Amino acid sequence: LAKTTQPISMDSYEGQEVNITCSHNNIATNDYITWYQQFPSQGPRFIIQGYKTKVTNEVASLFIPADRKSSTLSLPRVSLSDTAVYYCLVGDIFTSGTYKYIFGTGTRLKVLA
Amino acid sequence: SQTIHQWPATLVQPVGSPLSLECTVEGTSNPNLYWYRQAAGRGLQLLFYSVGIGQISSEVPQNLSASRPQDRQFILSSKKLLLSDSGFYLCAWSVERGNQPQHFGDGTRLSIL
Repeated sequence: LAKTTQPISMDSYEGQEVNITCSHNNIATNDYITWYQQFPSQGPRFIIQGYKTKVTNEVASLFIPADRKSSTLSLPRVSLSDTAVYYCLVGDIFTSGTYKYIFGTGTRLKVLA
Repeated sequence: SQTIHQWPATLVQPVGSPLSLECTVEGTSNPNLYWYRQAAGRGLQLLFYSVGIGQISSEVPQNLSASRPQDRQFILSSKKLLLSDSGFYLCAWSVERGNQPQHFGDGTRLSIL
């Protein structure tokens, strides 16, 4: 099972770019890398998913080096509302072919005014 | 668009009482469905997943059971709750093919007294 390692917490200031790096040394060939955001007392919300190189959407960018053993979530110009826990996930395929995630403890991002 | 509903949002139950949490998905067919539990300050633990009606797989031995009586309905149950069953329970769905992100409901906060 591919596991991930993330910093436990990070602080940033409003307007700054935040980069959260995740290590997944045992990533398998077919695994995708997915990031979620979770606010207190809410379910995780999908942010971005990628396989290699760079993926960008309206809220974030995901950078994946060629060896895929790590990935970096980049949040441009964070605001106070970006204070949340961010999870990096690497999928694992059930024997039935269904995709399964292993959730770690995530990175607690605190954005300061 | 697809939506997922969980209820109730909060629940307080005495030890030894039964439990039934319901999750329904709208706007999609034949989704994969998941139940997770999150302890305070921790990551999510996958409890059950289902790839179709009546098909339930358990990830960890526990005091809970799950059922899928209809395509878009997923129920988490217990005959006798334990103190250790307290937590934040989250339902999620994904499309049936692999490598697709999961989408979470808003969760149920369960407190056992």
